[in-house]
Amino acid sequence: SQTIHQWPATLVQPVGSPLSLECTVEGTSNPNLYWYRQAAGRGLQLLFYSVGIGQISSEVPQNLSASRPQDRQFILSSKKLLLSDSGFYLCAWSLSGGRLYGYTFGSGTRLTVV
Amino acid sequence: TQLLEQSPQFLSIQEGENLTVYCNSSSVFSSLQWYRQEPGEGPVLLVTVVTGGEVKKLKRLTFQFGDARKDSSLHITAAQPGDTGLYLCAGGPGGFKTIFGAGTRLFVKA
Repeated sequence: SQTIHQWPATLVQPVGSPLSLECTVEGTSNPNLYWYRQAAGRGLQLLFYSVGIGQISSEVPQNLSASRPQDRQFILSSKKLLLSDSGFYLCAWSLSGGRLYGYTFGSGTRLTVV
Repeated sequence: TQLLEQSPQFLSIQEGENLTVYCNSSSVFSSLQWYRQEPGEGPVLLVTVVTGGEVKKLKRLTFQFGDARKDSSLHITAAQPGDTGLYLCAGGPGGFKTIFGAGTRLFVKA
């Protein structure tokens, strides 16, 4: 069966520090991978998606970046965090665009920038 | 810009009551999904509906996609404390740009 792992679960980082969140998927090949951010009282905001190794599409201009160094590994990074980067970050995977089979989400990372 | 509006934002009911939550848009969606999210966890897919007028049942949960594919509803019969959570609807015109609503937070009291 397919599983998705995301870590760390919680993170407190000072403003201006770097960030690296990692997500890995098991049990499937060539998944579409996504990074979402969820703010309190708001829906999930798509940050990045990837359809293959090295292929990254950005949806929101910001100081975050994403990389996909391996087929089932997706990394969210920042060189210098801002207070506004605080939130709940979710990694997800899908078959095709997710229209028919939906998305499988990781358990999320709660990031607090102080 | 496509938007999905969910109502109510918050709902607190007693165990055994019935409830309906709504997901509305002015745009047409090729498909619509419902997820349930518990605190500190990622959303979990409940159902996908793709055909206008479609009705799907999942135990005590009934999902309906509007005829014009612009809205959807989720009805829960005889709610239980285990139904507590954030219910999110999500829709897309196709491709990768799925839009999520802000959710309905349901609390079922024993």
